[in-house]
Amino acid sequence: SALTQPASVSGSPGQSITVSCTGISSGDGSYNLVSWYQQHPGKAPKLLIYVGSRRPSGVSNRFSGSESGNTASLTISGLQAEDEADYYCCSYVDNSGWVFGGGTKLTVL
Amino acid sequence: EVQLVESGGGLVKPGGSLRLSCAASGFIFNTYSMNWVRQAPGGGPEWVSSINSNSVYIYYADSVKGRFIISRDNAKNTVYLQLNSLRAEDTAIYYCARSASSMDVWGKGTTVTVSS
Repeated sequence: SALTQPASVSGSPGQSITVSCTGISSGDGSYNLVSWYQQHPGKAPKLLIYVGSRRPSGVSNRFSGSESGNTASLTISGLQAEDEADYYCCSYVDNSGWVFGGGTKLTVL
Repeated sequence: EVQLVESGGGLVKPGGSLRLSCAASGFIFNTYSMNWVRQAPGGGPEWVSSINSNSVYIYYADSVKGRFIISRDNAKNTVYLQLNSLRAEDTAIYYCARSASSMDVWGKGTTVTVSS
């Protein structure tokens, strides 16, 4: 995958965690429109963050996104048991299509 | 309610073909690009193909280029994916998703199994 994520992260209820996604800057600006998805087992991915830091209506403000240089980050604050899921970053590549990160499994301890 | 419903999945032998459909409702279909994304068992999502609102711009992942064909019928609010020359590694859940600045609406998926 052209986007690199840690395989797993963990945190206790109430804590904050951050998932990184490296590789969003190709140097020529062709990678853009970074988004983040949450996926529970047996379910379709759900959009959490788009255009790097925007939240769709209905998504909890405990989820936030940011970008710095070659890395995008998803932060989940006030961890809850229901946040245990897989998380994927995604970027659009001009004149090519979408590319996903390899995914990060979040365990809530 | 904005909704995407995929259909057409099934069991097919290697080398076979299948046509997936995705019926859209609840939004103005002909103003959105549409995508197919697949997820192999135990794996993450893999983008497969995109088609823009008027079918002028079409893109494919290298893994399916020359074998899969995306199309849409705006009169029927439906996007299609023709899967040809299927391989075992094409076994996956196939999702359709609409996109603007992100893939914001997804269907529940249809399962394709390629096995002899």
